[in-house]
Amino acid sequence: QKEVEQDPGPLSVPEGAIVSLNCTYSNSAFQYFMWYRQYSRKGPELLMYTYSSGNKEDGRFTAQVDKSSKYISLFIRDSQPSDSATYLCAIGNTGGFKTIFGAGTRLFVKA
Amino acid sequence: GAVVSQHPSRVICKSGTSVKIECRSLDFQATTMFWYRQFPKQSLMLMATSNEGSKATYEQGVEKDKFLINHASLTLSTLTVTSAHPEDSSFYICSAPPAGGGYEQYFGPGTRLTVT
Repeated sequence: QKEVEQDPGPLSVPEGAIVSLNCTYSNSAFQYFMWYRQYSRKGPELLMYTYSSGNKEDGRFTAQVDKSSKYISLFIRDSQPSDSATYLCAIGNTGGFKTIFGAGTRLFVKA
Repeated sequence: GAVVSQHPSRVICKSGTSVKIECRSLDFQATTMFWYRQFPKQSLMLMATSNEGSKATYEQGVEKDKFLINHASLTLSTLTVTSAHPEDSSFYICSAPPAGGGYEQYFGPGTRLTVT
């Protein structure tokens, strides 16, 4: 079993749709839950993070963590074509050591 | 935010030659850097952890004699692909956690290696 499971997609949605991206993880020792966005042929960039359980909202993006079910979610409201990218979930600890990435979900938002 | 650069961004080499890729932290010191490999439409695969002043730690299945890592200073780590073969063609990305620790990693823009 992979430590982080993520459906690679691709996921195709029309502009303006609400997008839901999800991951599950197996090791409860990790404390930080992150979402990275990677555009084609670029390095990933940190989009959002949460510490422990709960929600975090930043503009059109909402990250959720449910530690009891080991479930991580990212919601994108009013999706835009510029949101088309690969979204990688990640779990980690302080120091950045042993950050473990999901497979990444490729998202296409059609105008 | 912190910036990590990589050089070159793209390289084409002939089979059997060696290629060096540089990873630099531009505005912070990085005692640790990570090297990843990414095949098309696949996720990041951690190859090795580069530690300043000491030997790198390689992940299982990664040939240390083929992928030489040198972390000579607090701002520079290099990955040398020795005796490259076409199957080594991939996207190589480095990253570093912020100085003093932290949950995130700052990624470089990646290097596209093509071995002909």
